[in-house]
Amino acid sequence: SQELEQSPQSLIVQEGKNLTINCTSSKTLYGLYWYKQKYGEGLIFLMMLQKGGEEKSHEKITAKLDEKKQQSSLHITASQPSHAGIYLCGAVPTDSWGKLQFGAGTQVVVTP
Amino acid sequence: GAGVSQTPSNKVTEKGKYVELRCDPISGHTALYWYRQSLGQGPEFLIYFQGTGAADDSGLPNDRFFAVRPEGSVSTLKIQRTERGDSAVYLCASSWSLGNTIYFGEGSWLTVV
Repeated sequence: SQELEQSPQSLIVQEGKNLTINCTSSKTLYGLYWYKQKYGEGLIFLMMLQKGGEEKSHEKITAKLDEKKQQSSLHITASQPSHAGIYLCGAVPTDSWGKLQFGAGTQVVVTP
Repeated sequence: GAGVSQTPSNKVTEKGKYVELRCDPISGHTALYWYRQSLGQGPEFLIYFQGTGAADDSGLPNDRFFAVRPEGSVSTLKIQRTERGDSAVYLCASSWSLGNTIYFGEGSWLTVV
């Protein structure tokens, strides 16, 4: 079965510092989504990656999918309090695009 | 509406009761998804629809759970004989079609007491 590991489980970063979250699959993926969630709220779409080696950026957030399409990273530059929350990767392990498998999430805390 | 709308936002029900959760997808979106999220965990797939038909319901935990989408728009997740273990946030999502960006609603918090 598909295994999706997300690391770290949580991290505390000082405002202005960079951070990276990783998402690793045991199998080649068809695609990968990154979402952000605040406690008690729904998931906010960040990026979707489909091609090996693909990289996308939006404001201070960059996501990459490796060539093998088994690992993705999410990098935040110069973190701000607004970046605090839970980041989730959702993998598309087969050609069944409706059946995302999510990691457990990474909780990000940004300190002053 | 502009986004995926879910009602109710919160529901407290007694063990053994029947519950319906409603999802109104983004207008024009043909694909609709249901996920369930427990505290401290990522969302867990339940079922998705392409149009009116359930394309994959392999995530429904047992036959107490059922979902419909009769006209290809609004969907209802139905839970019979609720159990305390059903307590979770039920998330609905939609996309233009399969393989496109999936947008989630705010969720329906279900508490079974």
